[in-house]
Amino acid sequence: SAVISQKPSRDICQRGTSLTIQCQVDSQVTMMFWYRQQPGQSLTLIATANQGSEATYESGFVIDKFPISRPNLTFSTLTVSNMSPEDSSIYLCSVELAGVFGGELFFGEGSRLTVL
Amino acid sequence: GQSLEQPSEVTAVEGAIVQINCTYQTSGFYGLSWYQQHDGGAPTFLSYNALDGLEETGRFSSFLSRSDSYGYLLLQELQMKDSASYFCAVRDRGASWGKLQFGAGTQVVVTP
Repeated sequence: SAVISQKPSRDICQRGTSLTIQCQVDSQVTMMFWYRQQPGQSLTLIATANQGSEATYESGFVIDKFPISRPNLTFSTLTVSNMSPEDSSIYLCSVELAGVFGGELFFGEGSRLTVL
Repeated sequence: GQSLEQPSEVTAVEGAIVQINCTYQTSGFYGLSWYQQHDGGAPTFLSYNALDGLEETGRFSSFLSRSDSYGYLLLQELQMKDSASYFCAVRDRGASWGKLQFGAGTQVVVTP
């Protein structure tokens, strides 16, 4: 298993500002994933973060809006830039563990952002 | 592309059995996963099926029929703590384990 810590757990932000979410894992992992969950909705993959290379973004998400850093094998950040109320969501960091079979992802507790 | 369909809500009493169905359409299916999420909490992994058949883990079981593009999660001996949202998710063949497409979720409400 993996223990994933996210900061902040929640925040209220003003329109037009940016916020960086941190994700710390208690073990080294190859790939980290950032998901978004809008209120009452499903989870949508934003991007995959690999150490030492640029993140890979899913359709509908761009680097200018959601820049990601992955400086080492235990840490990643997601920035939500120039926020609007539509960005109010829970942002979840998740990891896969090498050698784990069965499609199991471990998620952090999430960062709940409210944009006014 | 991919699409998954599951019921939006199911209500049942304690001790009952609930079946949550999930049908999917994918370009290259690899496996079907189920996650549980309590209100305000993180999604947690419940089960994974890559092959046809039933997988049993305690009170929860998951079934897959690849030919029918269909699976279900079976919750037995329902307890109040089982009130949560349940998501099915698929992984395309060739995609990494972490790149999942999630269904819209089924909210299970357990009543006394």
